[in-house]
Amino acid sequence: EIVLTQSPGTLSLSPGERATLSCRASQSVSSSYLAWYQQKPGQAPRLLIYGASSRATGIPDRFSGSGSGTDFTLTISRLEPEDFAVYYCQLFGSSPPGYTFGQGTKLEIK
Amino acid sequence: EVQLLESGGGLVQPGGSLRLSCAASGFTFSSYAMSWVRRAPGKGLEWVSGISGPGGFTIYADSVKGRFTISRDNSKNTLSLQMNSLRVEDTAVYYCAKRGGDYPYFDYWGQGTLVTVSS
Repeated sequence: EIVLTQSPGTLSLSPGERATLSCRASQSVSSSYLAWYQQKPGQAPRLLIYGASSRATGIPDRFSGSGSGTDFTLTISRLEPEDFAVYYCQLFGSSPPGYTFGQGTKLEIK
Repeated sequence: EVQLLESGGGLVQPGGSLRLSCAASGFTFSSYAMSWVRRAPGKGLEWVSGISGPGGFTIYADSVKGRFTISRDNSKNTLSLQMNSLRVEDTAVYYCAKRGGDYPYFDYWGQGTLVTVSS
């Protein structure tokens, strides 16, 4: 079973700064199967990125995804106040079939 | 507009059972795989179970295999999760989620229903 490890656990930044969040898989995976979500307190998760680098409908272009193999990155180019939340990467695995989430990165206001 | 509305959560004793439902609207329900995902207090997201569009293929996380059963009624646009032999560690907000197109991600989520397992 593939394990996703996100880093850092908590990231403290100020509005206007650039955020770089990492997601590392325990073995090489298809980038088609890697997605990123944002979750705010009391809300459902929101899809940001799918296929490692494609933005979901309605997602601002300050959010971008990149990576391949075992290392993937979510970048927020200039933080807005509404971007402070928890971010998860997610992978679909075929052996055994199922979905795996990283443990999350909390992005907090500095 | 896609809408997913969960119901059925509540307080149950360890060893008890609960059935969650998710009413879907705004899309052709039978064409899309669906899943249940949960978030325990103070923890991250955990995928629980998934089912294919026609309903003939189901998958489960090891943590719930043999205790939970996912099903769907495409005539009623409803997804269900039968949860038996509940444990304290099953306490969580449970979300139903729609799989997006050809890629294995979740493009729409419900607001969740809280399940509390406690004596």
